[in-house]
Amino acid sequence: RKEVEQDPGPFNVPEGATVAFNCTYSNSASQSFFWYRQDCRKEPKLLMSVYSSGNEDGRFTAQLNRASQYISLLIRDSKLSDSATYLCVVNRGSNYKLTFGKGTLLTVNP
Amino acid sequence: NAGVTQTPKFRVLKTGQSMTLLCAQDMNHEYMYWYRQDPGMGLRLIHYSVGEGTTAKGEVPDGYNVSRLKKQNFLLGLESAAPSQTSVYFCASSYRASGLNEQFFGPGTRLTVL
Repeated sequence: RKEVEQDPGPFNVPEGATVAFNCTYSNSASQSFFWYRQDCRKEPKLLMSVYSSGNEDGRFTAQLNRASQYISLLIRDSKLSDSATYLCVVNRGSNYKLTFGKGTLLTVNP
Repeated sequence: NAGVTQTPKFRVLKTGQSMTLLCAQDMNHEYMYWYRQDPGMGLRLIHYSVGEGTTAKGEVPDGYNVSRLKKQNFLLGLESAAPSQTSVYFCASSYRASGLNEQFFGPGTRLTVL
């Protein structure tokens, strides 16, 4: 099992749609979980951290299931500006190192 | 604040040439990292530093060296470039250990080795 595995995508959705991304991780010792966003030919930027109880930031909701080693990101009411690659990121048990998933490309169409 | 800056933005090398990539941050962060990003692969950690004067190997350190002589700068060196080192290189920094704190990335350096 790969350390961090994401939906391969790509996802093409219309404006206003709800879209969900899934991610699994293999290291049961991982303690910290994040979603980063990367626009085309740009650097990754933190979208949100993922907490055990789940958390929401506006139209974005992140969920964590430690038993299944599964993380999800839900985007409601998609905007054109949400078009980007979404990276699932997990620490490796050592707080110095993060493992990045390959990313899932989302395109929101008018 | 400029955040994290990288120099140069683009570079083309011939096999066997050497070069140094410079990363600078003005956020007074202790931790700094160098990653490479290749198509179809996630970002992979090359080397990292947990403070001035310290460096450590990451996931893919072979063919690279680093130095952190000043807290704000983290240099990545390629002594003898190979085509396999064609990639986009990102530098990042964080105030505390990355598992606890957001990493801020630079804009990247696109390197092509012919």
